[in-house]
Amino acid sequence: DADVTQTPRNRITKTGKRIMLECSQTKGHDRMYWYRQDPGLGLRLIYYSFDVKDINKGEISDGYSVSRQAQAKFSLSLESAIPNQTALYFCATSGAGTGNSNEQFFGPGTRLTVL
Amino acid sequence: SQKIEQNSEALNIQEGKTATLTCNYTNYSPAYLQWYRQDPGRGPVFLLLIRENEKEKRKERLKVTFDTTLKQSLFHITASQPADSATYLCAFRGSTLGRLYFGRGTQLTVWP
Repeated sequence: DADVTQTPRNRITKTGKRIMLECSQTKGHDRMYWYRQDPGLGLRLIYYSFDVKDINKGEISDGYSVSRQAQAKFSLSLESAIPNQTALYFCATSGAGTGNSNEQFFGPGTRLTVL
Repeated sequence: SQKIEQNSEALNIQEGKTATLTCNYTNYSPAYLQWYRQDPGRGPVFLLLIRENEKEKRKERLKVTFDTTLKQSLFHITASQPADSATYLCAFRGSTLGRLYFGRGTQLTVWP
């Protein structure tokens, strides 16, 4: 089974709709992240969480919100979707220890299209 | 602001040659750099990490160097194969522990 799962894998929605993307992990990591990826722009950080009670904004948090329901679950919401939020969204996790410090493990991605 | 750049958006090489990808950073001195591989429609996968006190790191056909004077990391794939075709991303940890800054990636194509 995959260590980091994302649902849904694909979603088409309309402008103004509320949508939630979900991420679950079985790696036992405390740290979780949400990124979006656009052609030519690379990975940009939306929000990150270092434990259940910790939520931090990334580079592009406007128009998004998150919820860390448990250590293993981190959800991303678009309160009122707009077309320029059409992108590939990735959830990632990392541990807090040394070794391959902050090696991030990514989910398979959610392709979101806002019409 | 902390910034990371990968100079080439695309690199095309012939099978068997060595591919060299470049990653530069500015306005920060990271403790380490990471390299990831991303296949189309999939999430990035970690390949290698190199720390600031390491000049070179190897893993099978992969080699990474880290020059803190030039503020640059080079990623080499020797004896490249078509299966190496993918996008390669570099990333460094910024001043916030646990947070990575990613470059835009270099799309490598290895042709037979």
